[in-house]
Amino acid sequence: ETGVTQTPRHLVMGMTNKKSLKCEQHLGHNAMYWYKQSAKKPLELMFVYSLEERVENNSVPSRFSPECPNSSHLFLHLHTLQPEDSALYLCASSQEQGGASTGELFFGEGSRLTVL
Amino acid sequence: AQTVTQSQPEMSVQEAETVTLSCTYDTSESDYYLFWYKQPPSRQMILVIRQEAYKQQNATENRFSVNFQKAAKSFSLKISDSQLGDAAMYFCAYMGGNQFYFGTGTSLTVIP
Repeated sequence: ETGVTQTPRHLVMGMTNKKSLKCEQHLGHNAMYWYKQSAKKPLELMFVYSLEERVENNSVPSRFSPECPNSSHLFLHLHTLQPEDSALYLCASSQEQGGASTGELFFGEGSRLTVL
Repeated sequence: AQTVTQSQPEMSVQEAETVTLSCTYDTSESDYYLFWYKQPPSRQMILVIRQEAYKQQNATENRFSVNFQKAAKSFSLKISDSQLGDAAMYFCAYMGGNQFYFGTGTSLTVIP
């Protein structure tokens, strides 16, 4: 248990559905991340929130919409996804000091998304 | 651009033996961090070991140690006395300028 909790663990949705992934961290960290993990590919950084402000989105399609209401919670809203969006979505948190990360990411167990 | 390469998609080791996982990276930075993360099946990814580039001494955490060759941009992970619980995906990662870059992972099987 790393102190980062993701729900749901598994999600199956059609291309016209709207769903959300939730992440909660209990570590007092001030930065949170969404990563996409696909087989045989490096982890892809999707979004970074530092002190609740989005600092990077890496040109992610607009069908993915993040929300960070406070430093402990992070959401990923999903709308009109494509089958190629099927993947494991990982949430992570870290403690940043003076704008620089201390270097360790704490990951959740991930949400396995299947788009039909 | 920074990249991280893990050239071994799969590795296997006999229980109690030693295995080395390879990682190379590309960067123009002089100050950065390197990591090995472990992702057991259906479980959270956790940090195994971390190396700061300005430190010449190789990091060690119990049975896990690294061979950091800065000039060669190589960062291998050695697991000694392998245990069944070591079976997992292992990801090499680089962090420089607050940017994280991960490799594609090495799947380690431990044979009883």
